[in-house]
This record gives sequence, structure tokens and C-alpha cells, in this order.
Amino acid sequence: KNQVEQSPQSLIILEGKNCTLQCNYTVSPFSNLRWYKQDTGRGPVSLTIMTFSENTKSNGRYTATLDADTKQSSLHITASQLSDSASYICVVRGSNYQLIWGAGTKLIIKP
Amino acid sequence: DGGITQSPKYLFRKEGQNVTLSCEQNLNHDAMYWYRQDPGQGLRLIYYSQIVNDFQKGDIAEGYSVSREKKESFPLTVTSAQKNPTAFYLCASSLSEDSPLHFGNGTRLTVT
Repeated sequence: KNQVEQSPQSLIILEGKNCTLQCNYTVSPFSNLRWYKQDTGRGPVSLTIMTFSENTKSNGRYTATLDADTKQSSLHITASQLSDSASYICVVRGSNYQLIWGAGTKLIIKP
Repeated sequence: DGGITQSPKYLFRKEGQNVTLSCEQNLNHDAMYWYRQDPGQGLRLIYYSQIVNDFQKGDIAEGYSVSREKKESFPLTVTSAQKNPTAFYLCASSLSEDSPLHFGNGTRLTVT
């Protein structure tokens, strides 16, 4: 069964600290993987896309990694800011453009 | 500014009533989607449309209906047949099936 699992469910860190969010998937065949950021009460916004051949991609303080062999991705946030408080959602595109969404990790940055 | 507008932001209805959620985009995207988001779950696809006057059921279409008479508009009707309609509804569009989704800011529907 195609699934995307994210961990942890929620995370609280102090402003300025780093954190890493995990995404494990069992989607096959694999086309690509995206990370979205969703502020409370708003729609998700795409942060980055990872294709099969990419291991690492950065977008400012966000760095995504992909290990296609172990079917794992991570999103690392460096020097966290209060505005990073949000839910981070991993979504994998499988066959026929089907999207399989993770439940998200809720990140809270405390001052 | 280009984007997707969903209205209203909050909607309250009594059980047994149909309700229509609005979604308008000015991004000139062909594809539009409706998702439902519930706490602790991933987004679930209700309906999608790749072109005007054509749409397909997603994973949880029962109790919902849509229309796509204009490229810019993709309204969703939540009918009284939907057993558990209280949820956060997200509309999205994309340039192509492999492009990122652009989301509106959602409509929170509460049915009592």
C-alpha cells in the first residue's frame, strides 16, 4: 500500500536552534517528493522538490535530502525563526501523477 | 497578484443543507483540485479537473459535487449525503500535472 509517514508528529524547539523532520515512504513507482509548509489556517506552500537523482537541495535555511534506496527524506531547518512555526508536509508523487500526502509535522518555535 | 481565492473563510451550516464553497484562480492554470484536510491525516483528494467542462472523482468524492464551467472557477458543493462534512477544505491549481500545487487559504466548514 502506498503510504507516507512523517515523524515526529510535533516538535517544539527554541528560536535559533536547528531541527530535522523525517519522511518515510513506501510509494512505488516513485516520481518525486515535495515538502510543503503550511501556516495555521492557510494553504500549503511548496518549499522544495526532490527527484530520484537528487540527494540534497537547499532553499535558504531549509535543506532537503533524499535517499531513494531507503525511501527516506528529511527536511533540515537551520537557525530557526519564529516564522518557521508551521506544519511541514511531505508528499510523494507516484504513478499516474497520484499524490500521496503525509499527515505533517507540527513545528513550534519558542522565543 | 496572481493566486487562488477561496470564500468564505468560515462557513456554518445545519445538517441536511447543501453548501457551496467558492474557488477562483487567476493563474491561468488548467488543472484545479479540491482537498479535504482533517486533523492528524494527510490531505485527501475529493475532485479534480484538468480542463474546462471535465472533472474526475478523487479518493473521497461521495457526498460532494463540482462543476468547471470556466477555467478560473471550480466550486465545490457539499451535499447532505456527506456523512461527516465538518472539515477544512482546500482548493488548489497547477500549471500541469507535474507542477507544484498552488493552494488557496481554505474554507473551514462546520456542520451542526
